[in-house]
Amino acid sequence: GEDVEQSLFLSVREGDSSVINCTYTDSSSTYLYWYKQEPGAGLQLLTYIFSNMDMKQDQRLTVLLNKKDKHLSLRIADTQTGDSAIYFCAERDNNDMRFGAGTRLTVKP
Amino acid sequence: NAGVTQTPKFQVLKTGQSMTLQCAQDMNHEYMSWYRQDPGMGLRLIHYSVGAGITDQGEVPNGYNVSRSTTEDFPLRLLSAAPSQTSVYFCASSLFFRSGGAKNEQFFGPGTRLTVL
Repeated sequence: GEDVEQSLFLSVREGDSSVINCTYTDSSSTYLYWYKQEPGAGLQLLTYIFSNMDMKQDQRLTVLLNKKDKHLSLRIADTQTGDSAIYFCAERDNNDMRFGAGTRLTVKP
Repeated sequence: NAGVTQTPKFQVLKTGQSMTLQCAQDMNHEYMSWYRQDPGMGLRLIHYSVGAGITDQGEVPNGYNVSRSTTEDFPLRLLSAAPSQTSVYFCASSLFFRSGGAKNEQFFGPGTRLTVL
């Protein structure tokens, strides 16, 4: 099947920017998503980008999409301790949605 | 709206026991799905449903049954639990995915942590 790949861990200092990367393989994906999972909770949609866009900005979040390289990134500006969580990249084509393994972001004070 | 609710939150089973994980949503969503989350493997789709009376298999359906008698409810049944089914189970719902349509965000329940001994 198709794979969505992410690095498993990222550690940053409070106030720095965080960049979480993701690669996907299905070129027919129509939407790409970033979900956040806090401990003991379900996944919460952070932001999404349609496949014909290159960039989307939403307050502290910036999503970059390189469709040629099938690379998606999530940048969190001014990272706070409350941003510590697992971040999942996901791609969707119609009813078929695939998730990466998640990147655990740790924010150190 | 309560969103997506799941019960129980925690469950311990012995090998061979059966149980049903409950999932309900009050957003009138056509699409509902069950995922399992295992360390380092992300979420894997077990079964999904595009409406009442319609279900289909996902990536890892073996050992699980589902039914969809109403729009609101989508229970997941384990007929004979095995240790390999120890996992965290998430139910999700959304409007039906339509190619070229709205973002159709999936809403997730809080999860059921299942341990099979």
